[in-house]
Amino acid sequence: DTTVKQNPRYKLARVGKPVNLICSQTMNHDTMYWYQKKPNQAPKLLLFYYDKILNREADTFEKFQSSRPNNSFCSLYIGSAGLEYSAMYLCASSRDGGGSAQYFGPGTRLTVL
Amino acid sequence: GDSVTQTEGPVTVSESESLIINCTYSATSIAYPNLFWYVRYPGEGLQLLLKVITAGQKGSSRGFEATYNKETTSFHLQKASVQESDSAVYYCALGSNSAGNKLTFGIGTRVLVRP
Repeated sequence: DTTVKQNPRYKLARVGKPVNLICSQTMNHDTMYWYQKKPNQAPKLLLFYYDKILNREADTFEKFQSSRPNNSFCSLYIGSAGLEYSAMYLCASSRDGGGSAQYFGPGTRLTVL
Repeated sequence: GDSVTQTEGPVTVSESESLIINCTYSATSIAYPNLFWYVRYPGEGLQLLLKVITAGQKGSSRGFEATYNKETTSFHLQKASVQESDSAVYYCALGSNSAGNKLTFGIGTRVLVRP
């Protein structure tokens, strides 16, 4: 099974409220990623977990948090949503190693009002 | 930083015609980049189409081909004869060999194949 699951598929949030997105995979992959995708823009890496080590991109460091309680699950947390957070959030996982393919989930579409 | 530039879409072609999507990259932080093409079919998530991790090599899948050209920093995607089922959004991506294998994506190229 090469499925990456994301919940919820659609999320409506109010400005200033927290948002928590969930991702799971059963492939025993070392690494899990979160990307943000806005219309007419490239998917942008926000952060990734390599095993239990969290790596956040410099320009999104303070905007997003994440946790990985076990190998299969990874969350993306926004403490206080702003309008600019409206986007598709893509979770992916991969076995570590150069050239490894990333397997993507269907995405969660977040709309902040 | 690292970047990927690809053909701006949408690209419309007729069934059985040839298709080429240009992709060029700039890898300032990666000594030996890996190159990928991902595809998103309507209603589905992103999935790997093909990858090449060694300069000079060619990757192929589902009738698509792409050659990793280090001299021109290009990784163009080609197919000789497209089918309606090839209608999708295609993303060129650049990756590293380091832990985490981060990907830098292009903006994506929407391809519409007319029957």
